[in-house]
Amino acid sequence: RKEVEQDPGPFNVPEGATVAFNCTYSNSASQSFFWYRQDCRKEPKLLMSVYSSGNEDGRFTAQLNRASQYISLLIRDSKLSDSATYLCVVAGGTSYGKLTFGQGTILTVHP
Amino acid sequence: NAGVTQTPKFRVLKTGQSMTLLCAQDMNHEYMYWYRQDPGMGLRLIHYSVGEGTTAKGEVPDGYNVSRLKKQNFLLGLESAAPSQTSVYFCASSYSSDSGRFAYNEQFFGPGTRLTVL
Repeated sequence: RKEVEQDPGPFNVPEGATVAFNCTYSNSASQSFFWYRQDCRKEPKLLMSVYSSGNEDGRFTAQLNRASQYISLLIRDSKLSDSATYLCVVAGGTSYGKLTFGQGTILTVHP
Repeated sequence: NAGVTQTPKFRVLKTGQSMTLLCAQDMNHEYMYWYRQDPGMGLRLIHYSVGEGTTAKGEVPDGYNVSRLKKQNFLLGLESAAPSQTSVYFCASSYSSDSGRFAYNEQFFGPGTRLTVL
């Protein structure tokens, strides 16, 4: 079983749609959680951190369920510019707390 | 500020050749990392450094060596390239934190190096 698993998609949605991505992690000792965004043939960039209480940044909402070892990202009112690969990232659980990346979920928003 | 830069951007090698990838950051970050990204695999950590003169192995270190002689630079070497090392290589850096849990801070990535080994 992979340490971090995501549905690779692709998700194809029209502009204005709401789309949700899920991610599960296997290490119960994990302590920090993030969503990174990666545009085609570009480097990953931090989208948002994920907190136990859930957090929102504009159209993006991230949630964490430690009991189920599950992380989610909700995007409301999708824009064409949201088209990208979304990487679920988990940290902690080892002596040096390395980041473990999921394989990414591809989102395409069409007109 | 340039952030994190990587050279070269593209390279084609023949099996058995050697090369060095250079990563430079101008954000005065203590921590630096080398990852490789392969289709369906996600990013995997090759080596990392928590400060000048120190390096450590990550998840997939075999076939690679690194050096951090200056705080702002982190070099990744391939001594004898193999086709299995065909990949996109990303360098990243992050600032330190009081807790020492360096990986919990945002990592800033370079634009990547696309390497093909024939």
